[in-house]
Amino acid sequence: SQQGEEDPQALSIQEGENATMNCSYKTSINNLQWYRQNSGRGLVHLILIRSNEREKHSGRLRVTLDTSKKSSSLLITASRAADTASYFCAKETSGSRLTFGEGTQLTVNP
Amino acid sequence: DAEITQSPRHKITETGRQVTLACHQTWNHNNMFWYRQDLGHGLRLIHYSYGVHDTNKGEVSDGYSVSRSNTEDLPLTLESAASSQTSVYFCASSESFGYTTGELFFGEGSRLTVL
Repeated sequence: SQQGEEDPQALSIQEGENATMNCSYKTSINNLQWYRQNSGRGLVHLILIRSNEREKHSGRLRVTLDTSKKSSSLLITASRAADTASYFCAKETSGSRLTFGEGTQLTVNP
Repeated sequence: DAEITQSPRHKITETGRQVTLACHQTWNHNNMFWYRQDLGHGLRLIHYSYGVHDTNKGEVSDGYSVSRSNTEDLPLTLESAASSQTSVYFCASSESFGYTTGELFFGEGSRLTVL
C-alpha cells in the first residue's frame, strides 16, 4: 500500500478560510516533504521537515510532524483561489528516495 | 537558470513499440528519478540513479529501463509498450546530502498514451 496516506482526498473551502491536510505513514522517516501540483503541471516543493523537527513555517504554510503518531499536517492559512491545486506529502525513508501519497485535491472558491 | 526538461511532452504510440522519454537537468544534481502518476495511485517510483553509471529499480520497474551516461540525462525506455503503461511520467532530480536528500525538482511531465 502507499506510504504517506493523505486525507481528506478532496477539500473545498471558501477564500479566506484555512485548509488543513493530513498525512500518515507507517515506517520511520528521515524527512517528510510537501509538494503542490497545479493541474497539468509538475510538482513543486513547498516545505521539508526533518524527523527531529516538530513544526516549520513558510509564509502562509505551517507544517507539523508528530513522529510518535507517524503523522504530519499541512495548514494553509487565509487561502486564496490561486491555492487551488493537489497537495502531496512525500516521505524519505532511506537512500534519498521519496514515497508519495495519493494527494489531497484542494479547491478554494472565490 | 537551472532547470529540468522532459521530452516529448505528449506521445501516442502503439502496443509493442519501443519508446524513450528524455529527461535533462542543468542543476548538476547527482540524484535523478522517474515516477509515473496515475489516478488513484499518486506517484510511483519507476527507476532512480545516484550518479553516472548507477541505476536502481523502483517499485514499478517491470517493462522499463534507464541508463545514466552523464550527470545531466536519465532517459527512460519502455522496451515494448503496453496499454498499462499509459500514464503521465515525471522526471525529478535532487541534491545528495550524505544519506538523505533535499527537495526534488520536477519536470513538467510526459503524457504517454499506448493504443
